[in-house]
Amino acid sequence: QQKVQQSPESLSVPEGGMASFNCTSSDRNFQYFWWYRQHSGEGPKALMSIFSDGDKKEGRFTAHLNKASLHVSLHIRDSQPSDSALYFCAASVYGGSGNKLIFGTGTLLSVKP
Amino acid sequence: NTKITQSPRYLILGRANKSLECEQHLGHNAMYWYKQSAEKPPELMFLYNLKQLIRNETVPSRFIPECPDSSKLLLHISAVDPEDSAVYFCASSRDRANERLFFGHGTKLSVL
Repeated sequence: QQKVQQSPESLSVPEGGMASFNCTSSDRNFQYFWWYRQHSGEGPKALMSIFSDGDKKEGRFTAHLNKASLHVSLHIRDSQPSDSALYFCAASVYGGSGNKLIFGTGTLLSVKP
Repeated sequence: NTKITQSPRYLILGRANKSLECEQHLGHNAMYWYKQSAEKPPELMFLYNLKQLIRNETVPSRFIPECPDSSKLLLHISAVDPEDSAVYFCASSRDRANERLFFGHGTKLSVL
């Protein structure tokens, strides 16, 4: 069964600090990786995607992919209270009838003012 | 996110039949139903592309999707079970390939 594991389960950082999330997958068929975040009472919202080895930076967010180890990470610098949310890593796999996103187990981030 | 609207927002059911509705105003070709149980990640139920059902995950037969036009998606639920209590999200993307998904606010279903 395809799985996407995330760590840690929860994380608390001070305002202005760095938040880091990790994600490992079990299937080398995964092609794209996405990071989504979900504020309480809302649907998930896509933050960024990555499919090439190395770093990808968008504003305060930096994603890193290592295909050899099937490891993806997300780093948020200068964390703000509004960043407090549930963060999901999601892996995209082609299934012949359309791509499917497999969401990871999630990391709950709390940014303390 | 007012670009994808879902109704109702909250639903409390006994063993009744009900339909969830979704409409997207993004001009997207692909539409999805996801189920998110408490403390769990979203799980894909159905995927439509250009009004055709192209992915149907392992979902109980009491859930029946319908795509009356390219911007609307329905989920008919009959004889709900307590395990169906969850938030049901509608989502859309430009097409069915590797694209960013846009989610609605969800319908929270509580089964008595």
